[in-house]
Amino acid sequence: DTGVSQDPRHKITKRGQNVTFRCDPISEHNRLYWYRQTLGQGPEFLTYFQNEAQLEKSRLLSDRFSAERPKGSFSTLEIQRTEQGDSAMYLCASSLELMYQETQYFGPGTRLLVL
Amino acid sequence: DQQVKQNSPSLSVQEGRISILNCDYTNSMFDYFLWYKKYPAEGPTFLISISSIKDKNEDGRFTVFLNKSAKHLSLHIVPSQPGDSAVYFCAASLTGTASKLTFGTGTRLQVTL
Repeated sequence: DTGVSQDPRHKITKRGQNVTFRCDPISEHNRLYWYRQTLGQGPEFLTYFQNEAQLEKSRLLSDRFSAERPKGSFSTLEIQRTEQGDSAMYLCASSLELMYQETQYFGPGTRLLVL
Repeated sequence: DQQVKQNSPSLSVQEGRISILNCDYTNSMFDYFLWYKKYPAEGPTFLISISSIKDKNEDGRFTVFLNKSAKHLSLHIVPSQPGDSAVYFCAASLTGTASKLTFGTGTRLQVTL
């Protein structure tokens, strides 16, 4: 299967700890997105990369959050000094900037619980 | 400000009948709309999309209708099957803005036997 993969699938951490999530997009896709989903809500956009360049960040992405996509392949999302409000599902999606209107394909997500 | 709204949190339909899921949006600049299906503990799965230059798009049992004047779209599933039971999200984007998606809050569809 060559879909979007995310690791880990689940993470439990204590408040104040740092966590890092990884996303591997579909291999030929040059765009990569991070979203966050909380209970009862739809996914909310966090940030997006075109190749290795981070081109947009949501105001939801506080200074404690940082994302990278070295060499335009996989991406990591790090949360420093986690807070209980960071508990959510973190979703990664990728797309191919070929067509005028592109479709994003999502990974299975990483569920984070901050105690 | 919720730019994409799904006002029905849940819907129950009998197997074999039509399921109609609705979505409203407020930003008239949105020009590409997508429906995703989500099972618990999984990521959203792309179902079907429609461009604002069309008013209907069909793929097998799934049809999406777009009414731009009413800023409304709907997803029809015919016939509904038990495996269709999931949460359905409507999403919208503005072409040319990196296509970041704005999602609704979802509708939980239950297809009963």
